[in-house]
Amino acid sequence: DAGVTQSPTHLIKTRGQHVTLRCSPISGHKSVSWYQQVLGQGPQFIFQYYEKEERGRGNFPDRFSARQFPNYSSELNVNALLLGDSALYLCASSVRGARNEQYFGPGTRLTVT
Amino acid sequence: AQKVTQAQTEISVVEKEDVTLDCVYETRDTTYYLFWYKQPPSGELVFLIRRNSFDEQNEISGRYSWNFQKSTSSFNFTITASQVVDSAVYFCALKAGGSQGNLIFGKGTKLSVKP
Repeated sequence: DAGVTQSPTHLIKTRGQHVTLRCSPISGHKSVSWYQQVLGQGPQFIFQYYEKEERGRGNFPDRFSARQFPNYSSELNVNALLLGDSALYLCASSVRGARNEQYFGPGTRLTVT
Repeated sequence: AQKVTQAQTEISVVEKEDVTLDCVYETRDTTYYLFWYKQPPSGELVFLIRRNSFDEQNEISGRYSWNFQKSTSSFNFTITASQVVDSAVYFCALKAGGSQGNLIFGKGTKLSVKP
């Protein structure tokens, strides 16, 4: 079975631009979470969605938004990009909530110049 | 407040040595879950283990073993007879605070196993 997939793999954007990252969960998983991992740090929670509803939000500005589609795939949007948004963005899926183990995708490496 | 501390930033060992990665957590919740993940250079986080707060039984899986001690709020990870392929960054994570999900990660321990 396919694991969590994310696209694109790498992305280079300019300050002030907008970016959309995509994630497809493991088949049968209804929960998707997004994390930001800055170089040298552990991942930080951004959003969790379950059954297309937002179930959790981390300490990130309103420039960050997300949604989950009927097929349980998800998008993370970031507006007005800042240099500090450069990071690896990880998507994780789980059967239900995060008390179940979360399985991570390979991530999208975003560079903001 | 909930927090995970991995005090060891980097560890370097020679192949076949045993190595223990430390993890100390903080939470006021009585129900919580602890996880270990491995992040090889490719970047993808690989799930290794989940323990819940009511199960203090230690676990062994091949060369990997985990020691969960609530009395010291620790969830340590030992690799026996380390191999070069074990080289990676290892993260300990905590999930608490009800059914809404997010993992709180430590800063990770970079393990280098030299031949």
